[in-house]
Amino acid sequence: DAGVIQSPRHEVTEMGQEVTLRCKPISGHDYLFWYRQTMMRGLELLIYFNNNVPIDDSGMPEDRFSAKMPNASFSTLKIQPSEPRDSAVYFCASSLRGPGQGGSPLHFGNGTRLTVT
Amino acid sequence: AQSVTQLDSHVSVSEGTPVLLRCNYSSSYSPSLFWYVQHPNKGLQLLLKYTSAATLVKGINGFEAEFKKSETSFHLTKPSAHMSDAAEYFCVVSYPGTYKYIFGTGTRLKVLA
Repeated sequence: DAGVIQSPRHEVTEMGQEVTLRCKPISGHDYLFWYRQTMMRGLELLIYFNNNVPIDDSGMPEDRFSAKMPNASFSTLKIQPSEPRDSAVYFCASSLRGPGQGGSPLHFGNGTRLTVT
Repeated sequence: AQSVTQLDSHVSVSEGTPVLLRCNYSSSYSPSLFWYVQHPNKGLQLLLKYTSAATLVKGINGFEAEFKKSETSFHLTKPSAHMSDAAEYFCVVSYPGTYKYIFGTGTRLKVLA
């Protein structure tokens, strides 16, 4: 089991540029989550998918953020245009059955550290 | 509202002494509880989980946690701290019929030589 794979590990970009973060969940996991972590705000849930369908995107900060899951093995989080306040570590996580269903835990990737200058 | 509280934002222990990281959750209705550890520049790694089986749960790296329904607590313990245990620890809860994992604010563990 390779675990959740995120790319890139680090991304440095200039304000106004488009940024795309990528995630490959664990095979067979039905749920995929995108989180953002900062010192000030801690871990924040941005959006999650069940069977490739977005279920709750209430955590997406604004229209500059979008997420897609075109198939069960791939998801992207896009920021366009990026701003310095988007600088954070972005984590992707997957789970077998999701929250509230038999105690299925989250499995996290190693994250993408985004710096917007 | 459902919530989880980690009572200490920072804990310092000497190497070889016991570790206690405290976690309380808001509702006793059939929760699933998890502890995660995050080392610097790494993702969150699952230490252990409670899902209504045995109340004493053993995890990786010598950690364990006890589910106490009467106290709505799920404290994390380890008999003897190691330098490599220095990290941030998160307590997480989820409830049947809900659609979110609820995270505590984290406890940063420092291990002194």
